[in-house]
Amino acid sequence: ETGVTQSPTHLIKTRGQQVTLRCSSQSGHNTVSWYQQALGQGPQFIFQYYREEENGRGNFPPRFSGLQFPNYSSELNVNALELDDSALYLCASSRGGTGELNEKLFFGSGTQLSVL
Amino acid sequence: AQKVTQAQTEISVVEKEDVTLDCVYETRDTTYYLFWYKQPPSGELVFLIRRNSFDEQNEISGRYSWNFQKSTSSFNFTITASQVVDSAVYFCALSESSSGTYKYIFGTGTRLKVLA
Repeated sequence: ETGVTQSPTHLIKTRGQQVTLRCSSQSGHNTVSWYQQALGQGPQFIFQYYREEENGRGNFPPRFSGLQFPNYSSELNVNALELDDSALYLCASSRGGTGELNEKLFFGSGTQLSVL
Repeated sequence: AQKVTQAQTEISVVEKEDVTLDCVYETRDTTYYLFWYKQPPSGELVFLIRRNSFDEQNEISGRYSWNFQKSTSSFNFTITASQVVDSAVYFCALSESSSGTYKYIFGTGTRLKVLA
């Protein structure tokens, strides 16, 4: 079974630009979550998608948005990039739908975004 | 508010030593799950162990063991006979569910260096 894959692995953008990050979930998984990991910090929850709809959101502004496709792959879009958006963006997939506290997440290797 | 604290920023040990990583959590929920994940230099977080709030029995799985104590809100993780390949950043996480969405609250991580 294939794992979670993310593209691109690295990206450099300038302030004010827009970026799209992509994620293919693990086979058999229908839920995708996105996390932002700043240098030296733990991952922070951005949002989650289940059956193509946003299912929950962390403390991130509306310029962070996403999509989930019928094949359960997902995109994270960030508009009007700011310097503080520089971070590792991690995608995680899981089997369960919603409210599964014990759900184990399977993470991709992330996209390292640098905003200059 | 939910919170996970990993007070140890970095630990260095010599190969074959035992090492314990500390984790303290805060939650008002009576039902929750705790996790440990490992993040090697490649970036992806790898699941290690999971424990629910109703099961304080401590277990050993290969070289890994954990000590869960609800009375002190701690969930410590021990690696026995450490190996160089154990070098990574280790994250403790608390699973919470709000408004039907489950998400992880991560600590800031502990960087483990195992020296040959």
